[in-house]
Amino acid sequence: DAGVIQSPRHEVTEMGQEVTLRCKPISGHDYLFWYRQTMMRGLELLIYFNNNVPIDDSGMPEDRFSAKMPNASFSTLKIQPSEPRDSAVYFCASSLGIEQFFGPGTRLTVL
Amino acid sequence: AQTVTQSQPEMSVQEAETVTLSCTYDTSESDYYLFWYKQPPSRQMILVIRQEAYKQQNATENRFSVNFQKAAKSFSLKISDSQLGDAAMYFCAPEDGGSQGNLIFGKGTKLSVKP
Repeated sequence: DAGVIQSPRHEVTEMGQEVTLRCKPISGHDYLFWYRQTMMRGLELLIYFNNNVPIDDSGMPEDRFSAKMPNASFSTLKIQPSEPRDSAVYFCASSLGIEQFFGPGTRLTVL
Repeated sequence: AQTVTQSQPEMSVQEAETVTLSCTYDTSESDYYLFWYKQPPSRQMILVIRQEAYKQQNATENRFSVNFQKAAKSFSLKISDSQLGDAAMYFCAPEDGGSQGNLIFGKGTKLSVKP
């Protein structure tokens, strides 16, 4: 199994630009999670889906962030417009409802 | 909201020695899972061990074991015969009782292993 796949692995962009992060969960998993990790705030849950339906998006910082899961094998996290304080590592994880399996993360730098 | 406390921001252990990382949490549930994850410098989050709250026996995975005290809501991780490759951030993550499938992560403990 390929595990959770995230792309890109690194993203550098300028303030105000749109950023789209992508995730392919492990086949058969019905939960998908998006996290953000920073030194200051640690690992924060942004949003999670069950069977492609958003269950809890209370961790999404503000309206600039949006996430979609159009099918069981793909999800996106979009930031528009991006700001320097969005710089972080963004993780996607998937599960069958018990332990979560994490992707390698996307390191986002907003200049 | 459920809380998770890892009271040791940093720990250090000599190679081949044993170290214990502590974790306490708050929950009103009676049946749930708890996990320890490891994040080495590569930043990949790796599952170390899991415990089911209804099981009295503490989970063990090779050199890693837990001391689960359900009444005290304590879930510590013991690493025996520490190796250089064990150096990493360790996160305690109990299941969020109010939200199936979701985990609540602690702030982490940074473990250093001295040769």
